[in-house]
Amino acid sequence: DAKTTQPTSMDCAEGRAANLPCNHSTISGNEYVYWYRQIHSQGPQYIIHGLKNNETNEMASLIITEDRKSSTLILPHATLRDTAVYYCIVASGNTPLVFGKGTRLSVIA
Amino acid sequence: NAGVTQTPKFRVLKTGQSMTLLCAQDMNHEYMYWYRQDPGMGLRLIHYSVGEGTTAKGEVPDGYNVSRLKKQNFLLGLESAAPSQTSVYFCASSPNTGYEQYFGPGTRLTVT
Repeated sequence: DAKTTQPTSMDCAEGRAANLPCNHSTISGNEYVYWYRQIHSQGPQYIIHGLKNNETNEMASLIITEDRKSSTLILPHATLRDTAVYYCIVASGNTPLVFGKGTRLSVIA
Repeated sequence: NAGVTQTPKFRVLKTGQSMTLLCAQDMNHEYMYWYRQDPGMGLRLIHYSVGEGTTAKGEVPDGYNVSRLKKQNFLLGLESAAPSQTSVYFCASSPNTGYEQYFGPGTRLTVT
């Protein structure tokens, strides 16, 4: 069973920030939050991951709540090429990642 | 670096035929994975390997076998293909479990 809950789909205007939520209320203390995305027909692409601190890289920012029960992936300036399915995954370092159905993000011009 | 490559890219099989999908990585990663993705679904883990000579079952292992004789290669075998195995198969590798996984481009398999 998936350990995360994500909205099925979201829209975002091009150039605006895309905020993708994820609930993981049963997360354990040693589990990380990972985000991947899958652009149509391609293999998934790693975006970012974090344990409890907020993280930022060249692709996105990850905001994790203090109780770690939810997180938000932020794409600061969405482009049409960011249209994809976004997967939020929780896993410890000793278990393989389990992909759910993700959120289908549509960036609209 | 080529990253993760998969062979073949497309294949059509008849029910009962066998085939082997090859995954190769040139990043010296310890961990390798095989997933399948059905239309409108997320990825499901078939088998994985934590190092050369090791394999382990994932979420949906039935009907598949795997081998990791060399660190850089991970083979997925279908001994007797069934229409239910029609899917897109993705291979991935990572330096360790849970770390950033690098995915191949996928193999589209149709079983008629």
